[in-house]
Amino acid sequence: DIQMTQSPSSLSASVGDRVTITCQASQDISNYLNWYQQKPGKAPKLLIYDASNLETGVPSRFSGSGSGTDFTFTISSLQPEDIATYYCQQYDTLPPNSFGQGTKLEIK
Amino acid sequence: EVQLVESGGGLVTPGGSRKVSCAASGLTLSKAWMSWVRQAPGKGLEWVGRIKSKVDGGTTDYAAPVKGRFTISRDDSKNILYLQMNSLKMEDTAVYYCATRGGDYWGQGTLVTVSS
Repeated sequence: DIQMTQSPSSLSASVGDRVTITCQASQDISNYLNWYQQKPGKAPKLLIYDASNLETGVPSRFSGSGSGTDFTFTISSLQPEDIATYYCQQYDTLPPNSFGQGTKLEIK
Repeated sequence: EVQLVESGGGLVTPGGSRKVSCAASGLTLSKAWMSWVRQAPGKGLEWVGRIKSKVDGGTTDYAAPVKGRFTISRDDSKNILYLQMNSLKMEDTAVYYCATRGGDYWGQGTLVTVSS
């Protein structure tokens, strides 16, 4: 099974800071990786698909990079409304389409 | 506009069964790979399983914790996705979401509580 290791599990940053989250797959998943934002009581919202493509309507301060096994998600300038938990997910044809453990982002 | 609406959650006793549904509009479920994802209270997202599109065989795959107990199916005439859950355990307590494989569309979730 493909395992996804996401870090850090929590992160505290100031408004305007650059924030980076990483996700590592246990085997090559090409670019079959999504990044989601989830706020309390809400369904996850897709931000980045295919590792580096910005979903329509998502602010350009969000970005993703990587392929194969190592991936990075970046918020270039943290805004108060970005407070949420972020998850990576691999959606290769091989199941399980596992999620990372999540990163809870807080404002300092 | 694509909408996914889950229903059928509720309180179930351990060992019992529950079937939750995901009604789709704006999307033909038989043409899509669909997933079920769950989230236990205060925990992260957990992939439960998926069903492939009809053209890709309509086969299903499941996560290890639910394999043999949960079944994903689809009623193409009603455009509804199902998750049949049997032999439920307390650790199956979660909000259950249906979602497209690409993650671009999600339902609002339905809470299944397994408790005596």
